[in-house]
Parts: sequence; structure tokens; C-alpha cells
Amino acid sequence: DAGVTQSPTHLIKTRGQQVTLRCSPISGHKSVSWYQQVLGQGPQFIFQYYEKEERGRGNFPDRFSARQFPNYSSELNVNALLLGDSALYLCASSFQRGNTGELFFGEGSRLTVL
Amino acid sequence: AQSVTQLGSHVSVSEGALVLLRCNYSSSVPPYLFWYVQYPNQGLQLLLKYTSAATLVKGINGFEAEFKKSETSFHLTKPSAHMSDAAEYFCAVSEGGATNKLIFGTGTLLAVQP
Repeated sequence: DAGVTQSPTHLIKTRGQQVTLRCSPISGHKSVSWYQQVLGQGPQFIFQYYEKEERGRGNFPDRFSARQFPNYSSELNVNALLLGDSALYLCASSFQRGNTGELFFGEGSRLTVL
Repeated sequence: AQSVTQLGSHVSVSEGALVLLRCNYSSSVPPYLFWYVQYPNQGLQLLLKYTSAATLVKGINGFEAEFKKSETSFHLTKPSAHMSDAAEYFCAVSEGGATNKLIFGTGTLLAVQP
């Protein structure tokens, strides 16, 4: 079975541009979460979506937005990119909404902002 | 608020030696605790999780962790290190409630010397 897939794997943008990152969860998983991992740090929670509704939001500015589609795939959008947005963006899916289920992570999308 | 602290950003051991990676948590409710491993250029993989059952938790690849409430610790151990264990390890605590949001530590990079 396919794991969590993310695209693109690498991308380079310039300050002020906008970026869209995509994630396909494991088949049957209805929850998708997004994390930002800056070099040398642990992942930081951005959003969780479950059944196409936002269920949690981390401490990120409104430039960050996301959505989940009827097939449970998800997109993360970041507007007005800043140098500090350079990071590995990880998507994770799970079957459950709550806090006991295992999160399955994709390999991430590495964003570089110049 | 929940948080985790990982002591030691870099740990180096010899092949065959004991691996000990330290994690202390802070939680206002009984915590759910996790250890994840991240190999270079990959996403995170769950090693093991504590969800208030047995305090000694066994995971994959020979790793285990012991939940000690009195010490607010959840240290990760492996009796004999293998070269393939070289990776970054993250301790995480669940925020609880209706989301599966995880709060990660800053990570410990494990090097295994031949």
C-alpha cells in the first residue's frame, strides 16, 4: 500500500511569492496534519483537518492556509513568502481524529525561499 | 501546556554499546508520549508510543522506553547500537483533546561509531 505522498519534493521560491504544497494520505485515513520543520528543530504543528474540516491550528500567521478535499487529500498554501518560511513541510495522516492514533508522515516538501 | 525537553542535541556511541536518549515532559494531564526517528531526507517514523498502559514500552528495531511519572521522563534505550541506528530521534507529547496535534522536542542526532 502507498504511504503518505507529498509533492513537490523540492522547490525554490523568492520572497513575496506564493506556494502550494500537496499531500495524499494513506488510503482510508481521514485526518491530515501539516507540520513545519526548520533546520535543526523539531516539527511544529500548523494544521489538522479531519473529514474536510479544520480541527486544529498552530501558532502560524494567516499567510498559512490549508484545505482538505472530498478524497481526503490536502493542500497547504503559504502566501507572501518570507525567508523564514524556508523549511521542510511534513504532511501526516491518521485514521483517527484524536490523540491516540499513530501519525504516518510523508517524506516532506523542502521549500527554499531566496 | 504540554512540552518536551530532549537533553543532548548530539549523542555518539560505539557500535554494540548502549543507546540512551533522554526526554523529559511537562503535561497538565496524563500524557501520551511518542518517539519518532528521522533518517536523512526522509519523513518521521514512529518507534513507539505510551498511552497509559504498561510503563515499559517496546518498539521497533529493538528500542524501548520507560515512562516514569515521578521523574516526568520517557527515555529511549537500546541495549546494543547498530550502524543503521544513526539518525535523528524526536520525542513528542500529544496535546490531548480532540486533535492529534503533537508537540515535538528539538531532536537528538545519534551517531554510531564503528
